Amino acid sequence: DSGVTQTPKHLITATGQRVTLRCSPRSGDLSVYWYQQSLDQGLQFLIQYYNGEERAKGNILERFSAQQFPDLHSELNLSSLELGDSALYFCASSVTGTGTDTQYFGPGTRLTVL
Amino acid sequence: DAKTTQPPSMDCAEGRAANLPCNHSTISGNEYVYWYRQIHSQGPQYIIHGLKNNETNEMASLIITEDRKSSTLILPHATLRDTAVYYCIVRARSYSGGGADGLTFGKGTHLIIQP
Repeated sequence: DSGVTQTPKHLITATGQRVTLRCSPRSGDLSVYWYQQSLDQGLQFLIQYYNGEERAKGNILERFSAQQFPDLHSELNLSSLELGDSALYFCASSVTGTGTDTQYFGPGTRLTVL
Repeated sequence: DAKTTQPPSMDCAEGRAANLPCNHSTISGNEYVYWYRQIHSQGPQYIIHGLKNNETNEMASLIITEDRKSSTLILPHATLRDTAVYYCIVRARSYSGGGADGLTFGKGTHLIIQP
């Protein structure tokens, strides 16, 4: 158990809908990262937050957005969902969010878009 | 971050040492080598990391060559639960003190432990 929690574990929804994934970082960690893992693209970095502020962006679609709240939990919002958004979504956290800071991953949310 | 090359798959007998190689010939002086593994769609699990000295923890040992162009992750006594995809990632230190991009995962090595 990494100490990172994610809810829900599974989510099934329809195309065009909007969903919110939630992540609570390890106690003491200020930085949160979101990753997407699909069968054809592998594990890809989406976005990073540090202490409530966006720190870095990866391959995140404009339909996706995230935020980190004052209690440091984070939410990833996915809208206008398409079939291709079906994937595992992982959250990771680290203490400071700097380059060699070890990231610890949560168990993931499996999103299925029908 | 430097690119890494790993064999797509490896087998190892249960109880034997599993040695997973990684090539990172373009690594620069301020880049660390990290290893993660992912067991069947679970979240990636941190294993170990190092800069230039060999490292050991309760999970594994990391051997980095003197020229730092390659490394080997060693699981000393592999068990069936070690069957997973193992990722070798090279990661730069952020001297600026500023932000860090996410980890860049390649395809990794699918390690299969045989009973």
